[in-house]
Amino acid sequence: SQKIEQNSEALNIQEGKTATLTCNYTNYSPAYLQWYRQDPGRGPVFLLLIRENEKEKRKERLKVTFDTTLKQSLFHITASQPADSATYLCALHSGGYQKVTFGIGTKLQVIP
Amino acid sequence: GAVVSQHPSWVICKSGTSVKIECRSLDFQATTMFWYRQFPKQSLMLMATSNEGSKATYEQGVEKDKFLINHASLTLSTLTVTSAHPEDSSFYICSAPRGYIGDSNQPQHFGDGTRLSIL
Repeated sequence: SQKIEQNSEALNIQEGKTATLTCNYTNYSPAYLQWYRQDPGRGPVFLLLIRENEKEKRKERLKVTFDTTLKQSLFHITASQPADSATYLCALHSGGYQKVTFGIGTKLQVIP
Repeated sequence: GAVVSQHPSWVICKSGTSVKIECRSLDFQATTMFWYRQFPKQSLMLMATSNEGSKATYEQGVEKDKFLINHASLTLSTLTVTSAHPEDSSFYICSAPRGYIGDSNQPQHFGDGTRLSIL
């Protein structure tokens, strides 16, 4: 069955460092992959989308890589700030009318 | 600002009560909206796809008679949890893509969720 794995344990890093979150998947051939941020008691907020034929995408302090051979995406936040503390979800989509499947998310805590 | 509004944000009610949750797209038309449920420390689970002017499509294991979905206009979808019981307590979230649903590039815009607690 399709499976998305994100490190369910919280990731604690020092302010100013680069945070790297991992999303691995199995039994899936996504056309594209999305990353969302979710704060407690709130709905997810879209951050970045990367297509299967793209290796890397950047947006301000965010960078996403997508390796379809390894079946893995890495999400980086450079110069992390306490305001970046949240849960980050990866989501896979096979394209067209297929539904989006979400991972469990990784909770990031940036320590001042 | 928010592009999808969800109401109410928090509901506490007695077992057996029916609860209606509204999801509105604020500045765009959404022919399709999605309803998710999220239990603590678990991922978002798609419950159903709401289609304007037609019946909703439910995911396997979701009771359509328990979770009634109505998408009567291009900006409003409602989810009614009928005869709610404590096991229905969860965080319910709606979302809508801002463009053509078949466009793989469209991210989901989410509401802020409804925390449902059944006593």
